[in-house]
Amino acid sequence: RKEVEQDPGPFNVPEGATVAFNCTYSNSASQSFFWYRQDCRKEPKLLMSVYSSGNEDGRFTAQLNRASQYISLLIRDSKLSDSATYLCVVRSGGSYIPTFGRGTSLIVHP
Amino acid sequence: SAVISQKPSRDICQRGTSLTIQCQVDSQVTMMFWYRQQPGQSLTLIATANQGSEATYESGFVIDKFPISRPNLTFSTLTVSNMSPEDSSIYLCSVRTGQETQYFGPGTRLLVL
Repeated sequence: RKEVEQDPGPFNVPEGATVAFNCTYSNSASQSFFWYRQDCRKEPKLLMSVYSSGNEDGRFTAQLNRASQYISLLIRDSKLSDSATYLCVVRSGGSYIPTFGRGTSLIVHP
Repeated sequence: SAVISQKPSRDICQRGTSLTIQCQVDSQVTMMFWYRQQPGQSLTLIATANQGSEATYESGFVIDKFPISRPNLTFSTLTVSNMSPEDSSIYLCSVRTGQETQYFGPGTRLLVL
């Protein structure tokens, strides 16, 4: 089982839709969780951290479910500019090296 | 935050040759990494660049193939040696700040013929 697994998609949604991605992780000792966004032919950039209590930033909501070992990202009122690949990133307490998921591709169409 | 630049941004090379990629950060950082990303794949960590000592390589990557230098806290180089078409990829420099956020350089797109 891979350390961090994501559905590669693509998720193809119309503008204004709500879309959610999940990411599962295998190491129960994982301590830090993040969502990164990567636009086509660009470098990854931090979208948001995921805290135990959840995290909301405008149209984006990230949640952590430790019992089931997954994190989620919810995007409300999708915009065309949200089209990108969303990378799940997990770091265990015993390592300073985070593990990147393969990414979930989102396409928002008019 | 950290602003990272990489040179070259892209290159086309002949097999058997070597390419050195430079990474410059606008501030002193402790943690600096080199990643590879192949099309449609996740980021794969090559090594952690350690200032003043040998880099720490991940499984599957060796110093003879990917020598790394880190002379100070703002600069590092990665060399891809004796290249083959399988080395065609995007190579990304990354740093981590005290807040655990990772910043990435714009990447170097390498095509080996």
